[in-house]
Amino acid sequence: AQKVTQAQTEISVVEKEDVTLDCVYETRDTTYYLFWYKQPPSGELVFLIRRNSFDEQNEISGRYSWNFQKSTSSFNFTITASQVVDSAVYFCALELQGAQKLVFGQGTRLTINP
Amino acid sequence: DAGVTQSPTHLIKTRGQQVTLRCSPISGHKSVSWYQQVLGQGPQFIFQYYEKEERGRGNFPDRFSARQFPNYSSELNVNALLLGDSALYLCASSAQVPGTPQETQYFGPGTRLLVL
Repeated sequence: AQKVTQAQTEISVVEKEDVTLDCVYETRDTTYYLFWYKQPPSGELVFLIRRNSFDEQNEISGRYSWNFQKSTSSFNFTITASQVVDSAVYFCALELQGAQKLVFGQGTRLTINP
Repeated sequence: DAGVTQSPTHLIKTRGQQVTLRCSPISGHKSVSWYQQVLGQGPQFIFQYYEKEERGRGNFPDRFSARQFPNYSSELNVNALLLGDSALYLCASSAQVPGTPQETQYFGPGTRLLVL
């Protein structure tokens, strides 16, 4: 069975601080995909990034960066110089090859205070 | 381009009633999935449809059913509503074609269902 764990339920930081959201996953499959989605108060899940299990290259997009480590089954997300607009619930998710079924973690509520 | 749209945005029902939620996918997307998100939790997979056929089902009772139409829009039906069915129901679409490399799912704004 597949499982995603986001151990941090809530994080609160002051604007301009860096913050890292942790994600640990479990699967016995060798081909899978990892995702991060952002959910603002409006409720819509906004896609941020997708990585496949064969691509461990870290990725940077503006103030966002992702660290994928298969050895520790982790896919962590870092926001550099956080802004108030980054406040949201962030979800990490796992999807197996051939299955259009996302398995989500419990989410991390991130609050950026001015 | 329009994203995934869902209707209605909010709904209030009483126990025992039936509800129908609607979803229109992104233009060109033939795969639609439904998820239930209870307050404070991550979304849980309910169904996936491709070309009007059910391709996946999550661990939900038979009170939950869905269908997909020729224009790829979809409906989720829930019968005999329980208090525990109160949740945000999310629809996602993707360009996924079975047997081809994985495609990303894009979500709509959801329908908030409250069962009293």
